[in-house]
Amino acid sequence: GENVEQHPSTLSVQEGDSAVIKCTYSDSASNYFPWYKQELGKRPQLIIDIRSNVGEKKDQRIAVTLNKTAKHFSLHITETQPEDSAVYFCAALRGNFGNEKLTFGTGTRLTIIP
Amino acid sequence: DTEVTQTPKHLVMGMTNKKSLKCEQHMGHRAMYWYKQKAKKPPELMFVYSYEKLSINESVPSRFSPECPNSSLLNLHLHALQPEDSALYLCASSHQTQGADGELFFGEGSRLTVL
Repeated sequence: GENVEQHPSTLSVQEGDSAVIKCTYSDSASNYFPWYKQELGKRPQLIIDIRSNVGEKKDQRIAVTLNKTAKHFSLHITETQPEDSAVYFCAALRGNFGNEKLTFGTGTRLTIIP
Repeated sequence: DTEVTQTPKHLVMGMTNKKSLKCEQHMGHRAMYWYKQKAKKPPELMFVYSYEKLSINESVPSRFSPECPNSSLLNLHLHALQPEDSALYLCASSHQTQGADGELFFGEGSRLTVL
């Protein structure tokens, strides 16, 4: 099955600086790569995603890059703010039409230092 | 309505009890999921329903029994649970049309404690 590795497990960044979280996946059939933000006691919330036919996607301060050849994708957060502090999960999806299986990475606890 | 609603939010049960978790969505999504999340861990897939039929069971113990009465509702029946089953149970739903498959909408979760 799919295996998703995520690094680092914890990350502390000064407010205003950038944060980068990296993930690798094992199954070349995976074709959808979302990133979720989960605050303490809350549900995971989708913050950005990318499909396998795209190399980069940006939404304001958040960007994701995908390298299908190397099977890795990264989350970039610029101009970090205290409210960016949370646990971030990457994920990879394979299958379709009722057989989708989303595998999560192990998570990164991001702390923004004011 | 873009919400996935889960009830109850909190549940405490003994090992001999029978209880159910409920999930509802009115977004017209045809895929619904149960995930289990332990503290400081990622969500782990338990079951997937597609068009009201069970399509994926991730070798979940039979003390967890899913049910999809219709395309808007998903239940998880619990019986003879163990303390290690204590976790946050997340329901999710997604479209199942090409190009849109994959994006999951999560509910707030039901936090289960088994005594």
